[in-house]
Amino acid sequence: EAQVTQNPRYLITVTGKKLTVTCSQNMNHEYMSWYRQDPGLGLRQIYYSMNVEVTDKGDVPEGYKVSRKEKRNFPLILESPSPNQTSLYFCASSSTAGFYGYTFGSGTRLTVV
Amino acid sequence: RKEVEQDPGPFNVPEGATVAFNCTYSNSASQSFFWYRQDCRKEPKLLMSVYSSGNEDGRFTAQLNRASQYISLLIRDSKLSDSATYLCVVNLGTALIFGKGTTLSVSS
Repeated sequence: EAQVTQNPRYLITVTGKKLTVTCSQNMNHEYMSWYRQDPGLGLRQIYYSMNVEVTDKGDVPEGYKVSRKEKRNFPLILESPSPNQTSLYFCASSSTAGFYGYTFGSGTRLTVV
Repeated sequence: RKEVEQDPGPFNVPEGATVAFNCTYSNSASQSFFWYRQDCRKEPKLLMSVYSSGNEDGRFTAQLNRASQYISLLIRDSKLSDSATYLCVVNLGTALIFGKGTTLSVSS
């Protein structure tokens, strides 16, 4: 089944403790992206990658890092999480830089206390 | 500035009603257009792409007016299962830009 898989689905952590949210797709898509969704603010792009070793900032990149060493994986790294990074995170992928839309993962609900 | 604006609702309608959602976008370089559906706390799912010629998928009809930078979605014969948040989305090439969503609640 074609899908984008994110892990974990739920995570509660403490301020300053480094964490990684994994994202993997099995569709051989070149393009991958991370979004966060907050009440009243909608979905906002954090980082995106057009292909292996090619990443760039989205609208809200502060406090996040990404890497794209393999085509299928695009992890999101929070080096020192803070409470304002409490959010619902979605990974997405596309074969055509979104021209026909994205496929989203099921989401990761992160709480930073 | 890249923005997508939509009426947040909520739209509360009875089963069988026809409901219309509207959306405007600010970036004339937008390349493609979509309506996504999002159920509570779940991932957005593509409902349909939107074309200038208008397109229909069963009870759903979408329309794009590039000159006015306006997108619409019409839902006919609403079902209880249509209750969700509908997201207007434009593609800028490096990102999909999402509206904040319009909430639809269909009641029996």
